Amino acid sequence: GNSVTQMEGPVTLSEEAFLTINCTYTATGYPSLFWYVQYPGEGLQLLLKATKADDKGSNKGFEATYRKETTSFHLEKGSVQVSDSAVYFCALTGGNNRKLIWGLGTSLAVNP
Amino acid sequence: DVKVTQSSRYLVKRTGEKVFLECVQDMDHENMFWYRQDPGLGLRLIYFSYDVKMKEKGDIPEGYSVSREKKERFSLILESASTNQTSMYLCASSLQGARYNEQFFGPGTRLTVL
Repeated sequence: GNSVTQMEGPVTLSEEAFLTINCTYTATGYPSLFWYVQYPGEGLQLLLKATKADDKGSNKGFEATYRKETTSFHLEKGSVQVSDSAVYFCALTGGNNRKLIWGLGTSLAVNP
Repeated sequence: DVKVTQSSRYLVKRTGEKVFLECVQDMDHENMFWYRQDPGLGLRLIYFSYDVKMKEKGDIPEGYSVSREKKERFSLILESASTNQTSMYLCASSLQGARYNEQFFGPGTRLTVL
């Protein structure tokens, strides 16, 4: 079945550092891929998405490219801010397209 | 904007109590989900519903039941709460047939069972 593996945290960076959070997946067919973010004390919200190979999702300075050849969807940001401190989840559509398959989440702490 | 609300942000119950967690969405979504979130375990799906009165077990349904009598409301029931059900519970909804299958989340209920 479909599965998602994302890098373990916590990740700690200084403000303005470059961020990469790795996400790789196993899937049959052509799933859509997502990054969700959970700020402290809140529910999850969609950060960005990509629906086919070579699509690039982007939002709030974050980017991720759907790489079918490497089955990856790594999250990147060129210059992180303290306000980016959160837990980031990679996900993909499940076999019946109703459910999402989730990674375990990566906690990011950005220090001033 | 889609709004998903959960009845409580924090809840403290005693072992053996029957606990109801309520979730309401205002965007006429067909699909609704209950997850629990625990450190190091990510999000685990408890149950989901794809229509009124329809439900399907997720990955960890044991000890839980659900009810969906109206399209906008999805309830999670702990028949006899136990300490190992202390967790963050997240409700989500999504539109059936939507191109991107995006799920919209509520703020979560942090349940403590003593």
